[in-house]
Amino acid sequence: DTAVSQTPKYLVTQMGNDKSIKCEQNLGHDTMYWYKQDSKKFLKIMFSYNNKELIINETVPNRFSPKSPDKAHLNLHINSLELGDSAVYFCASSQDRVQPQHFGDGTRLSIL
Amino acid sequence: GIQVEQSPPDLILQEGANSTLRCNFSDSVNNLQWFHQNPWGQLINLFYIPSGTKQNGRLSATTVATERYSLLYISSSQTTDSGVYFCAGNTGFQKLVFGTGTRLLVSP
Repeated sequence: DTAVSQTPKYLVTQMGNDKSIKCEQNLGHDTMYWYKQDSKKFLKIMFSYNNKELIINETVPNRFSPKSPDKAHLNLHINSLELGDSAVYFCASSQDRVQPQHFGDGTRLSIL
Repeated sequence: GIQVEQSPPDLILQEGANSTLRCNFSDSVNNLQWFHQNPWGQLINLFYIPSGTKQNGRLSATTVATERYSLLYISSSQTTDSGVYFCAGNTGFQKLVFGTGTRLLVSP
């Protein structure tokens, strides 16, 4: 059973479109995250949710809107996609803020 | 915010060789993790090691929290060890800050 699963694995779309990435964890964790990995492989936090509440918003453009319908899910919706949004997006979860974080396999987003 | 430095940035090894990767933190961390990003892009958890030493097969890690560094040892390297190794730390604000990674290539 996959602990943290993201869909889709690949997303190819055109500039200006709106798209969503879904994330689900079956670990019973309270905290979920979105990270972005750029073309130079640098990984950076975007958002953190704890029990469906937004804890961290790391100066991400408001075209990015996370939504947590319950503590097992954290989806990422992106409006008006731009070329610079091309990256790999990772979802992660942890029991609390100091416990280890477990990552999904990533979603590779390519903007044409 | 916290800065995480990893060295070396790149490493090429012959199969069977040993290596040590280093991670320095600019501030104390209360969660330290090592990851391996394989050629398919997956981030594999290697160690959760805020302090002390842990071993898992050919890999081991040591964190000296008081001196703000961690080491990852790879012994008898195999071609499947190739990829990028990241360390990441958390100062208690629920976000992991990642280093820039060590890119490892193990040749047969």
